[in-house]
Amino acid sequence: GNSVTQMEGPVTLSEEAFLTINCTYTATGYPSLFWYVQYPGEGLQLLLKATKADDKGSNKGFEATYRKETTSFHLEKGSVQVSDSAVYFCALSREGSARQLTFGSGTQLTVLP
Amino acid sequence: GAVVSQHPSWVICKSGTSVKIECRSLDFQATTMFWYRQFPKQSLMLMATSNEGSKATYEQGVEKDKFLINHASLTLSTLTVTSAHPEDSSFYICSAPQGASNQPQHFGDGTRLSIL
Repeated sequence: GNSVTQMEGPVTLSEEAFLTINCTYTATGYPSLFWYVQYPGEGLQLLLKATKADDKGSNKGFEATYRKETTSFHLEKGSVQVSDSAVYFCALSREGSARQLTFGSGTQLTVLP
Repeated sequence: GAVVSQHPSWVICKSGTSVKIECRSLDFQATTMFWYRQFPKQSLMLMATSNEGSKATYEQGVEKDKFLINHASLTLSTLTVTSAHPEDSSFYICSAPQGASNQPQHFGDGTRLSIL
């Protein structure tokens, strides 16, 4: 079945540091890949997505590239801010659909001023 | 603004009480909605798929008699936790897809349920 393995946290960085959160997946075919962010006490918000190999999703300075050869979708940001403190979830959905999602375990990010 | 509204956002009740959580799609129709459960510091686990006009589809290990799902209209799905006990305390989140099947879902803000 499908699965998502995500870098364990928590991750603590200083403001303006470089961020990488690793995500690898197991799936058949060509799933769509997503990064969601969850701020304290809130639901999930879509951060970015990629639907095919070599696609790069980007939003709010965050980027992730769909790497079919390494089955990875690592999240990166060149300079984090305190407001980026949240939990980040990597997720996939089956090929051609964004419906039923399989989530990674989530990574807590804390950015210190 | 939010496209999926979830209510209540927080509820505390005594053991044995039944609790209903609503999930509404705003300004769009959702024939399918999803219910997730999230334990502290853990990921979201899909509980069930709510289908408008038909029975919900439950994931393996989820008690359908414990977690009653009703999707009575194209904009509303409800999750009722029946005879809740402390182990049912959790963060429950709904989601609804909008548009084509390859479009991302919209998530509600979640309901924090605490059973005393």
